Amino acid sequence: NAGVTQTPKFQVLKTGQSMTLQCAQDMNHNSMYWYRQDPGMGLRLIYYSASEGTTDKGEVPNGYNVSRLNKREFSLRLESAAPSQTSVYFCASSEVGVTEAFFGQGTRLTVV
Amino acid sequence: RKEVEQDPGPFNVPEGATVAFNCTYSNSASQSFFWYRQDCRKEPKLLMSVYSSGNEDGRFTAQLNRASQYISLLIRDSKLSDSATYLCVVNSDLNSGYALNFGKGTSLLVTP
Repeated sequence: NAGVTQTPKFQVLKTGQSMTLQCAQDMNHNSMYWYRQDPGMGLRLIYYSASEGTTDKGEVPNGYNVSRLNKREFSLRLESAAPSQTSVYFCASSEVGVTEAFFGQGTRLTVV
Repeated sequence: RKEVEQDPGPFNVPEGATVAFNCTYSNSASQSFFWYRQDCRKEPKLLMSVYSSGNEDGRFTAQLNRASQYISLLIRDSKLSDSATYLCVVNSDLNSGYALNFGKGTSLLVTP
């Protein structure tokens, strides 16, 4: 059972470069999320998608865009990476109404 | 002020000890409460949901006090394998749905 799959697992970017983090889930969940985790800050919500075709901003959306490509896939794009975006990024999915959320293994991103 | 507050620890306890973690939340409208466990450099995983009547799962007991907006987790007979970060999680009502709002986590180290 794959669950939630994120790619890539590691990435180093130069300031100003762009990249897309990919996320796919095979549990037929409606809701998908992107979080970032920084030391001392905990997990903070970047964007979420309550259902296919909808996306909304979370707590820290600046510098990011998202696309809910279909029910399975939810991608996160950094258009112009900044050192402040160095973090661990987690994608998650859940059924409607906030039941248990399942997380991908994370993407460790360093922007230099 | 963060919506979910936890003591970051670290809590260093010997094997066999009983340890308790506390968490407070600010949104009185929150309906769902969870404890997640996160191992070093891994994704968060659900440990247990927290119900109004309190619930127990083996050595783990979770309690919810809605009047005080307070959640607790008790671990009895601590094992070395319990060493991890424990995340208090509360649902957040967002524009088009819900998402999980994470505390910063409490670090537990169980020593021989």
